[in-house]
Amino acid sequence: QQQVKQSPQSLIVQKGGISIINCAYENTAFDYFPWYQQFPGKGPALLIAIRPDVSEKKEGRFTISFNKSAKQFSLHIMDSQPGDSATYFCAASSYNTDKLIFGTGTRLQVFP
Amino acid sequence: ETGVTQTPRHLVMGMTNKKSLKCEQHLGHNAMYWYKQSAKKPLELMFVYNFKEQTENNSVPSRFSPECPNSSHLFLHLHTLQPEDSALYLCASSQDRATIEKLFFGSGTQLSVL
Repeated sequence: QQQVKQSPQSLIVQKGGISIINCAYENTAFDYFPWYQQFPGKGPALLIAIRPDVSEKKEGRFTISFNKSAKQFSLHIMDSQPGDSATYFCAASSYNTDKLIFGTGTRLQVFP
Repeated sequence: ETGVTQTPRHLVMGMTNKKSLKCEQHLGHNAMYWYKQSAKKPLELMFVYNFKEQTENNSVPSRFSPECPNSSHLFLHLHTLQPEDSALYLCASSQDRATIEKLFFGSGTQLSVL
């Protein structure tokens, strides 16, 4: 019940296209859902995050869509660029455990 | 620069060696973490220190021994490791344990155990 399931494992997108990465969870106590971006040779860095009181959050080309009833959330990257090529991790945490549970990661490659 | 520095970047060690990983954060944070990153697996939380006190040991084998002498420095002492311990070891920090949702990671130490 503590797992966060992430898909796909890898994704290839052409420049200008939309990249979509999906995550699902079981624990209804989760109340914070961040996405981390990791470039080769670097540690993950917080990209964008959402709380379940809203269904969507947008920051530039990055959007999180959240479906509380389905217990799913997704990251959309609009107008994908080669510089977006990285591994993306979804995660979830709950106020009563102080733990951040990560998904398995999605390796995104954006080709010109 | 994320403000969290890890050394060394790469480490190759034999199963009988003893080595240490070092992490230093320049962000004024009070919580520090060790994570293990293996291919196709979620990041695994290993240890948590909050205000220099260990608050979490996530069932990590005793061949991994953490040390936190102050809020800015964190070490991971390694001894008699196994080949399956080969992975990227990431250090992270947050303002305190309650703000674990906003982690700042270092670039990691890529460990290979022969």
